[in-house]
Amino acid sequence: SQTIHQWPATLVQPVGSPLSLECTVEGTSNPNLYWYRQAAGRGLQLLFYSVGIGQISSEVPQNLSASRPQDRQFILSSKKLLLSDSGFYLCAWSVGTSGLKETQYFGPGTRLLVL
Amino acid sequence: AQKITQTQPGMFVQEKEAVTLDCTYDTSDQSYGLFWYKQPSSGEMIFLIYQGSYDEQNATEGRYSLNFQKARKSANLVISASQLGDSAMYFCAMREGRMDSSYKLIFGSGTRLLVRP
Repeated sequence: SQTIHQWPATLVQPVGSPLSLECTVEGTSNPNLYWYRQAAGRGLQLLFYSVGIGQISSEVPQNLSASRPQDRQFILSSKKLLLSDSGFYLCAWSVGTSGLKETQYFGPGTRLLVL
Repeated sequence: AQKITQTQPGMFVQEKEAVTLDCTYDTSDQSYGLFWYKQPSSGEMIFLIYQGSYDEQNATEGRYSLNFQKARKSANLVISASQLGDSAMYFCAMREGRMDSSYKLIFGSGTRLLVRP
């Protein structure tokens, strides 16, 4: 069965520091991968998605970047964190062959607090 | 304009009773998919149920069913026989059928459900 891991679970970082959040998927090949951010009490906002190694599409211009160095690894980064980067970051995967019914499955998330 | 609207920020239900969580959507596409996710306090998003725009019958998954009214553009989630473990945030989401956006799930702002013992 497929599983998705994210780490760290919680992170407290000072403003201006770098960021690296990692997401890995097990049990599937060539998944579509996604990074979402959820502000407190809000819905999810898609940040990046990837359909293959090295292929990254950005939804919202911002202080963050994403990379996919391996088939089942997705990394969210920042060179200098802003206060507004605080939030709950969720990674998700899907199998890109199901059309409209393609379901995204989410990881446990990382809570980031920028101080 | 909001693509997905969940008008109930919070809902209460008595244990063992049924509850309906509202979701309306806005799209000009003929092909689209609708999803419901549950987010417990741990934060993980758990997929519950899917309804396609061309599906003739309402989707059901165990205690979850979807009241799909296409003309009204609504896709309400019905939870029967509520359990204490159903207390969570519930999100409605839509995927539109256009090629340039078919990868993307658009989420509503969510409804917090509290099940009373």
